[in-house]
Amino acid sequence: QVQLQESGPGLLKPSETLSLTCTVSGDSISTYYWSWIRQPPGKGLEWIGYIYYSGSTNFNPSLKSRVTISVDTSKNQFSLKLTSVTAADTAVYYCARGLYSYANLYFDYWGQGTLVTVSS
Amino acid sequence: SSELTQDPAVSVALGQTVRITCQGDSLRSYYASWYQQKPGQAPVLVIYGKNNRPSGIPDRFSGSSSGNTASLTITGAQAEDEADYYCNSRDSSGNYWVFGGGTKLTVL
Repeated sequence: QVQLQESGPGLLKPSETLSLTCTVSGDSISTYYWSWIRQPPGKGLEWIGYIYYSGSTNFNPSLKSRVTISVDTSKNQFSLKLTSVTAADTAVYYCARGLYSYANLYFDYWGQGTLVTVSS
Repeated sequence: SSELTQDPAVSVALGQTVRITCQGDSLRSYYASWYQQKPGQAPVLVIYGKNNRPSGIPDRFSGSSSGNTASLTITGAQAEDEADYYCNSRDSSGNYWVFGGGTKLTVL
């Protein structure tokens, strides 16, 4: 059974850098599109971006200037960095496995999510 | 505002059929996927592609598409289907992915 688990600090100050890691178990990270998705409290889902195991990436244009996603195949992990955070970045951050099919991307396995709060 | 538009809330009587819709220009070219999210839980994929259900998803869930509208139909809604439902697909440029704003389904 594929499992994903997010880890990282839950509280940040404005202007700091958000860093999260997703550890994948039950499957090799050396395939699929590994994605980050977030959800502000009480609001909808927002796709942040993905990394393919080869290292190619694609990001939401609204976040592209602040986002980095990297992969460590030796640890079966991928990571998110979001710079210069503000209160608007407060959200539950999910990592998810992206399956490419029918010319589209589907997120078939998700982590449980981790709440990141940005507050001074 | 999202490039995929969903009704904020829909209700259905127990055992009846309900359709949840998602509108967007990109849906003329790409299928939508659908996610169910219950309070405090991660989303779960329920429909992808033309009308495919992942393993473990009941067959009362089905998907369809016409023009710029994708639909998720629940035939014989159960109490446990009460949740938020989100559609997802490419954006109008075809280069990125977007989610609809979500539909809160209430089973009466």
